[in-house]
Amino acid sequence: KAGVTQTPRYLIKTRGQQVTLSCSPISGHRSVSWYQQTPGQGLQFLFEYFSETQRNKGNFPGRFSGRQFSNSRSEMNVSTLELGDSALYLCASSPSGATIDTQYFGPGTRLTVL
Amino acid sequence: KQEVTQIPAALSVPEGENLVLNCSFTDSAIYNLQWFRQDPGKGLTSLLLIQSSQREQTSGRLNASLDKSSGRSTLYIAASQPGDSATYLCAPIPIQGAQKLVFGQGTRLTINP
Repeated sequence: KAGVTQTPRYLIKTRGQQVTLSCSPISGHRSVSWYQQTPGQGLQFLFEYFSETQRNKGNFPGRFSGRQFSNSRSEMNVSTLELGDSALYLCASSPSGATIDTQYFGPGTRLTVL
Repeated sequence: KQEVTQIPAALSVPEGENLVLNCSFTDSAIYNLQWFRQDPGKGLTSLLLIQSSQREQTSGRLNASLDKSSGRSTLYIAASQPGDSATYLCAPIPIQGAQKLVFGQGTRLTINP
């Protein structure tokens, strides 16, 4: 089975722009979660989608949004980029998001905001 | 609010040593706990998922234990190898909102040949 894939792998944007990141989960997985990783804050949960619905949300401003499609692929959007949004963005998938599920992470998208 | 602490923050040992990484968490209302490794600039690789009913899980040279009542988990690595060099992260899995993982800062492990 193919693993979790994320595109693009690297992205450079300037302040004020917006960006869309994509995540394709493992085939058959319906839960997709997004995390932001920075050197200062570590790994922080952004949100989780299951069956096209946002089920959990972390403490991030409304500039961070996401969606999930019927094939379970997910996109994350950040509007009005700030320098502090520079980070590694990771997505993870699991079959149903249940407590017994192992989460499988993708390789991440490295976003640099200039 | 769950807080996760991993000790030590960094560890450098010669190849072949057995070592223990520690993870503590403040909220014991968890269901399971997952250990990951992360290579520099890469995503997370799942190592072990310990279910609270198991208290312990083994995979090859790795053994992880979980004590929910004391809010602790340990990852034991036997006969360490240079390929084990990575950052190791633990994540308690909450009973509610299972996918909303909270991570510590991790333990950066270096195995010297």
